[in-house]
Amino acid sequence: GAGVSQSPSNKVTEKGKDVELRCDPISGHTALYWYRQSLGQGLEFLIYFQGNSAPDKSGLPSDRFSAERTGGSVSTLTIQRTQQEDSAVYLCASSHRTSQTSTDTQYFGPGTRLTVL
Amino acid sequence: GQNIDQPTEMTATEGAIVQINCTYQTSGFNGLFWYQQHAGEAPTFLSYNVLDGLEEKGRFSSFLSRSKGYSYLLLKELQMKDSASYLCAVRDSNYQLIWGAGTKLIIKP
Repeated sequence: GAGVSQSPSNKVTEKGKDVELRCDPISGHTALYWYRQSLGQGLEFLIYFQGNSAPDKSGLPSDRFSAERTGGSVSTLTIQRTQQEDSAVYLCASSHRTSQTSTDTQYFGPGTRLTVL
Repeated sequence: GQNIDQPTEMTATEGAIVQINCTYQTSGFNGLFWYQQHAGEAPTFLSYNVLDGLEEKGRFSSFLSRSKGYSYLLLKELQMKDSASYLCAVRDSNYQLIWGAGTKLIIKP
């Protein structure tokens, strides 16, 4: 069906508030990735899901960040007690990762632009 | 540590050819990707190299030398719409992508 979708497209919040970002991957894609991109910077890996489990959480910047994926589909990235340095574009990608040897091309959603005031 | 190096910015003329280089030092190698990212948009996949040599896809080609830890993206017959950032990413021994900061390509008429 359609590509990866993310919501909201823009989020402005006050410092200290919690935010939830949603990602809807391409149907049938087993792998889902969250990245963060600050202005003019490269992609910073946050977390990776294979199905509903997260084999690699190494990129989460602090314990204020958490993510879950249910039903092998939609994922939610939650940031608690937001700080100004959390301001960035949060990108989600999905892939049809069937094995370690697959090409595993990642397809990206349009991102959520988070601004913490 | 792991590192991907790309020039920060390049300028080229419409109709010309430009080569964007990428060098990498990673823990293991399981493929190299090039993505294009227009301002304010998500990255889109361009090419994938896992063996040495040149992969050609229309106006775009990508080259890999694993022994040198080096790749380049070659864009021919440049068009104004090619103005974008080009991201190099290497898949490491853990099969995770390590991303470069990207090269901003400016095309002038």
